[in-house]
Amino acid sequence: DSGVTQTPKHLITATGQRVTLRCSPRSGDLSVYWYQQSLDQGLQFLIQYYNGEERAKGNILERFSAQQFPDLHSELNLSSLELGDSALYFCASSVDDRPYGYTFGSGTRLTVV
Amino acid sequence: QQQVKQSPQSLIVQKGGIPIINCAYENTAFDYFPWYQQFPGKGPALLIAIRPDVSEKKEGRFTISFNKSAKQFSLHIMDSQPGDSATYFCAASKEEYGNKLVFGAGTILRVKS
Repeated sequence: DSGVTQTPKHLITATGQRVTLRCSPRSGDLSVYWYQQSLDQGLQFLIQYYNGEERAKGNILERFSAQQFPDLHSELNLSSLELGDSALYFCASSVDDRPYGYTFGSGTRLTVV
Repeated sequence: QQQVKQSPQSLIVQKGGIPIINCAYENTAFDYFPWYQQFPGKGPALLIAIRPDVSEKKEGRFTISFNKSAKQFSLHIMDSQPGDSATYFCAASKEEYGNKLVFGAGTILRVKS
């Protein structure tokens, strides 16, 4: 157990729907990162939050949004889902805002049908 | 300039062999180079990392070789075992606040017993 908790583990939904993925970071970690892993794109950085504030944005679609709450857990919201959004979504956390010491969760596998 | 190119895409070796995975980067500002190991159904886990002030780092059976002038680094797994079968990702970043890891596309390693 890495200490980073992601729920749900699996999600199957239809095109056009909206889903929310949840991440609880490791105790003491202030940064949360979201990555999308697909077969043809590898691990793509989506967005980072640090202590409740958005810190960096990567290749995140406008249909996707995220937030980090006062208790430091984070949610990634995916809307108007398309077949191409099917992927593994990973959350990682780290103590501060530097790029080392990432700890990944086990991911949420999203299947859009 | 933000890309990290990883090769090969997949690799099969016999038990006891020394698989080598290579990565190349363009951004000379990168100064932190970790390797992650991912087993099926799990998130990536930090394996070993190197900074450009050293040319080699060993941790157990895992060795990173770093060639700053060629902007390349590689992972060697000594005396590989079937339990090392996993996907390996290289990554790179500038080790400063506000930076994120950029990942290579991954290498699927299979060690045959």
